[in-house]
Amino acid sequence: ETGVTQTPRHLVMGMTNKKSLKCEQHLGHNAMYWYKQSAKKPLELMFVYSLEERVENNSVPSRFSPECPNSSHLFLHLHTLQPEDSALYLCASSQEGAGLNEKLFFGSGTQLSVL
Amino acid sequence: SQELEQSPQSLIVQEGKNLTINCTSSKTLYGLYWYKQKYGEGLIFLMMLQKGGEEKSHEKITAKLDEKKQQSSLHITASQPSHAGIYLCGADGQAGTALIFGKGTTLSVSS
Repeated sequence: ETGVTQTPRHLVMGMTNKKSLKCEQHLGHNAMYWYKQSAKKPLELMFVYSLEERVENNSVPSRFSPECPNSSHLFLHLHTLQPEDSALYLCASSQEGAGLNEKLFFGSGTQLSVL
Repeated sequence: SQELEQSPQSLIVQEGKNLTINCTSSKTLYGLYWYKQKYGEGLIFLMMLQKGGEEKSHEKITAKLDEKKQQSSLHITASQPSHAGIYLCGADGQAGTALIFGKGTTLSVSS
């Protein structure tokens, strides 16, 4: 138990589907993150939220839509995805947010396959 | 933008052998983090290094930061099957942005 829970663990979806990934942190942290991990590539930062406000958005396609209703929950809404979006999506949290020396705590990830 | 280069990409060692993984940054390192990942799962924090010359150890894993070379090394002594996994280095991005990561080093330990 890492303190950061992601659901579902695995997801298979068609290109026309709409689905959502959920992340919940039980650590009392103020910042939450979405990273994408594809084979043979570094982890790609997608979104950062600090105190429920989006503070970083790294040119992510609009078919990915984040939502942070409170500091404990983070969602990633998916629609009309492409096969190249298949990857492991990792959620993380940190005490404050995107500052120096901020250790990240990761969830177990959602393995997404787009058919 | 800052990039982290890890070497080697993958490594197979016999149980009981020592090994070293390197992480080199294209820019000055302000904070360097080592994480371990089991395939298809989340990252587990191992160590954080901040100062040049700093060295930290946890059980049989030692990490060192050489600030001048913009490099960190992770050394495992007397490797065991439980050490197998993907080791990733991460660094504080510039201007307080979120961590960036290297591609990872996949370690296999044969018994």
